[in-house]
Amino acid sequence: ETGVTQSPTHLIKTRGQQVTLRCSSQSGHNTVSWYQQALGQGPQFIFQYYREEENGRGNFPPRFSGLQFPNYSSELNVNALELDDSALYLCASSWEVRQETQYFGPGTRLLVL
Amino acid sequence: KQEVTQIPAALSVPEGENLVLNCSFTDSAIYNLQWFRQDPGKGLTSLLLIQSSQREQTSGRLNASLDKSSGRSTLYIAASQPGDSATYLCAVANTGNQFYFGTGTSLTVIP
Repeated sequence: ETGVTQSPTHLIKTRGQQVTLRCSSQSGHNTVSWYQQALGQGPQFIFQYYREEENGRGNFPPRFSGLQFPNYSSELNVNALELDDSALYLCASSWEVRQETQYFGPGTRLLVL
Repeated sequence: KQEVTQIPAALSVPEGENLVLNCSFTDSAIYNLQWFRQDPGKGLTSLLLIQSSQREQTSGRLNASLDKSSGRSTLYIAASQPGDSATYLCAVANTGNQFYFGTGTSLTVIP
């Protein structure tokens, strides 16, 4: 059984650019949630995907969008990057939506200059 | 909107000491509560999950309690070790489908 993996591990972008982050969920998990963790803060929920459909969204603007694929891997896309988007982006997978134990990946550190 | 608060923000203790981390939440209509550990620059590791119908969970030297009516949870760590040094995060899942996290308690255990 493989754990949750994320790529890339680190990324540097400039304001206005677009970025795509990737997450492979733990084997057998059909639910993926994405979080943004700014320095010194707790993770903030961005959105969740369940069986390829968005299943809830936090207080993030539409320039944050996502996808889930038939193999349950997922992408987070952020358009028109802003300096405040600099953060650690975490994905977590779980079996079904009812929020049993979530398994987190190591995160992608994004720096926007 | 659910608000999760963790006190203290930072804690430094000598090795071997028992300690308690606190978590409070504003909306008692939770589905479960989970405690995580985060090492610097890393992802989160789940420590304990307490369902809303449970009062406590134990794993090794860790014990987590939940008082849903008062909106509080505690994480008790017995006989602390330097390897316990990390940030501890509390997260509550509402009856919806997302976790709300606190800002964490940064723990340093001094050898």
